[in-house]
Amino acid sequence: SQQGEEDPQALSIQEGENATMNCSYKTSINNLQWYRQNSGRGLVHLILIRSNEREKHSGRLRVTLDTSKKSSSLLITASRAADTASYFCATGYAGANSKLTFGKGITLSVRP
Amino acid sequence: DAGVIQSPRHEVTEMGQEVTLRCKPISGHDYLFWYRQTMMRGLELLIYFNNNVPIDDSGMPEDRFSAKMPNASFSTLKIQPSEPRDSAVYFCASSSQDRADYGYTFGSGTRLTVV
Repeated sequence: SQQGEEDPQALSIQEGENATMNCSYKTSINNLQWYRQNSGRGLVHLILIRSNEREKHSGRLRVTLDTSKKSSSLLITASRAADTASYFCATGYAGANSKLTFGKGITLSVRP
Repeated sequence: DAGVIQSPRHEVTEMGQEVTLRCKPISGHDYLFWYRQTMMRGLELLIYFNNNVPIDDSGMPEDRFSAKMPNASFSTLKIQPSEPRDSAVYFCASSSQDRADYGYTFGSGTRLTVV
């Protein structure tokens, strides 16, 4: 069953704007991860946040986690056309290497 | 490292035929995962291994599916007999307990079409 559910399903923005994507989940987690998938390619790991963390940064990426609301958000600042891809949140339970359950993804289009 | 290597990239087969998908994980990674991706169901975990031992195969659809990991550098996913509903992209991923913050590394996938 799908654990994480991303919102919105699709997002279209202008280059230079910020993109915010949300993920909600149902049961307690150990960690939450975000991945990117370009068309016809495998998924690429972006960032991992543990259940005892509230915010993490990596370059133009900022992820937050609110365990009380069972939700996470991924912010991409100053978006570029190359950021066009599908983005997935994945939830893990018994440790960072336990099986991950992926949402259905958000399609992000960045217009040049 | 060349990353996670999957073969073949594309496979077209007739219903009833046996299909074998192959995966070479990143050297030193101790976890290996097989996922299936379709538009309708998204990414589904089929099975995963830790140190070559199957840990959870609850996602394997039915007895037609089997997976092996004979050594740390090779895994196969076999479908026998194949059916049109098995058409999907199959991904292999690996990860390391020692580098857990880096998440999974996925291969490029095998696009399977069963006609």
